[in-house]
Amino acid sequence: EDQVTQSPEALRLQEGESSSLNCSYTVSGLRGLFWYRQDPGKGPEFLFTLYSAGEEKEKERLKATLTKKESFLHITAPKPEDSATYLCAVAPQGAQKLVFGQGTRLTINP
Amino acid sequence: EAGVTQFPSHSVIEKGQTVTLRCDPISGHDNLYWYRRVMGKEIKFLLHFVKESKQDESGMPNNRFLAERTGGTYSTLKVQPAELEDSGVYFCASSQDPPDRRYEQYFGPGTRLTVT
Repeated sequence: EDQVTQSPEALRLQEGESSSLNCSYTVSGLRGLFWYRQDPGKGPEFLFTLYSAGEEKEKERLKATLTKKESFLHITAPKPEDSATYLCAVAPQGAQKLVFGQGTRLTINP
Repeated sequence: EAGVTQFPSHSVIEKGQTVTLRCDPISGHDNLYWYRRVMGKEIKFLLHFVKESKQDESGMPNNRFLAERTGGTYSTLKVQPAELEDSGVYFCASSQDPPDRRYEQYFGPGTRLTVT
C-alpha cells in the first residue's frame, strides 16, 4: 500500500533558524513527489514537484531534495511568514491521484 | 488567471439531508480531482475526471457519493443522504494534460461540510 509519513508533526523555530522537514514514502513506482504549503482555512498551495532521485528544486528560502526513499524540505533563515503546514504527497506510477502525508505544522517565532 | 474555485465555502446540514458541492477548475485544465480531509486525518483522494469521463473512482467511499462533470467544465459532488462521518473539508484540484505527462495539481480553497 502506498504510504507517506512526515516528520516531525510540529516544529517551532526562531526567525533565522534553519531546519529540515522529512517526508518518507513507500510507493509502487514513483511518478512524482509533491510539496504543498497550506495556511489555515485555505487549500494546499503548490510548491514543488520532484520526479527522480537526486533532483533538487529551490524557491526563495525553500529547497526540496529527493532520494529513493525520502524527501527533505530545507528551510533556510525562515521568517514568520513561512509559518504554515507543509504537506508532502506522492503520485504512484500509472496514476494521477496524490497520496498525502499528515503534514508538518511549522511555526516561526519572531 | 483565476484559480480553482469551490462553492459553498461552508455547509452545515442535518444527517439524512442532501448536499451538493461545486468546483470550477482552472480554465483549460482537462483533469479534475476531488479529495477530502476528515478531522485528524490526512487528505485522501476521492476521484479523478478527464474532461467529462471518470478516470479513477477508487477513493469514493460508498454509493452515497455521486460526482459529475458536465461538458468537461465544472464538477459537482453530491452526498445523499449525508451521514455524520461525511463531515470534513472537501478539496477540488485541477491539472493540465501536458505532453511530458507531468501533472501538477492546483487546489481550491475547499468546502467545509458539517453534518449534525
